[in-house]
Amino acid sequence: ETGVTQTPRHLVMGMTNKKSLKCEQHLGHNAMYWYKQSAKKPLELMFVYSLEERVENNSVPSRFSPECPNSSHLFLHLHTLQPEDSALYLCASSLYPGQTYEQYFGPGTRLTVT
Amino acid sequence: AQKVTQAQTEISVVEKEDVTLDCVYETRDTTYYLFWYKQPPSGELVFLIRRNSFDEQNEISGRYSWNFQKSTSSFNFTITASQVVDSAVYFCALSEPGNQFYFGTGTSLTVIP
Repeated sequence: ETGVTQTPRHLVMGMTNKKSLKCEQHLGHNAMYWYKQSAKKPLELMFVYSLEERVENNSVPSRFSPECPNSSHLFLHLHTLQPEDSALYLCASSLYPGQTYEQYFGPGTRLTVT
Repeated sequence: AQKVTQAQTEISVVEKEDVTLDCVYETRDTTYYLFWYKQPPSGELVFLIRRNSFDEQNEISGRYSWNFQKSTSSFNFTITASQVVDSAVYFCALSEPGNQFYFGTGTSLTVIP
């Protein structure tokens, strides 16, 4: 595997379900990110992790819970979501956090909340 | 107000035409970085270029070129002799000190054979 991988690629869940999105990077990077991409809106940065520590949480509702067990893996745990949470969730990584470094993205998980 | 504005929502060009994608940004920081990414139908954003705020030199990479003008807060992207494989959504992004990244809404480019 190369680059950034995400599973599952598609997910349909009810509002009372609990599910998790997984991201893995094979680039030896130290920073990882979660973004939300909704139609006709800018990508929204949700969380930033640096060496497994959360360094940014951009006012994301608590129904989204990130977890970074090591620098290669990042999870987004989902519970009691709303239909407006339906979107493409993108994971990214960079060599280090901070403005200087370009990010490498995974293919995303298309989430539909019913 | 949006930090990054991509006013062109959709553009269609015929193959071999040149096309310019506009990006206007807003920041009060003197040190910042600008990026362009390409998102093909497969979904993942592909990094194209990074430019720091102190380097206003234009850059050319094959058929791609970028025009950075601080005076107009713009960082435009031109594809010369467009090809069908250039069809994608293109995003401009701004990063400020710290860990904040701001993306535009993207421009969907369709190159017609």
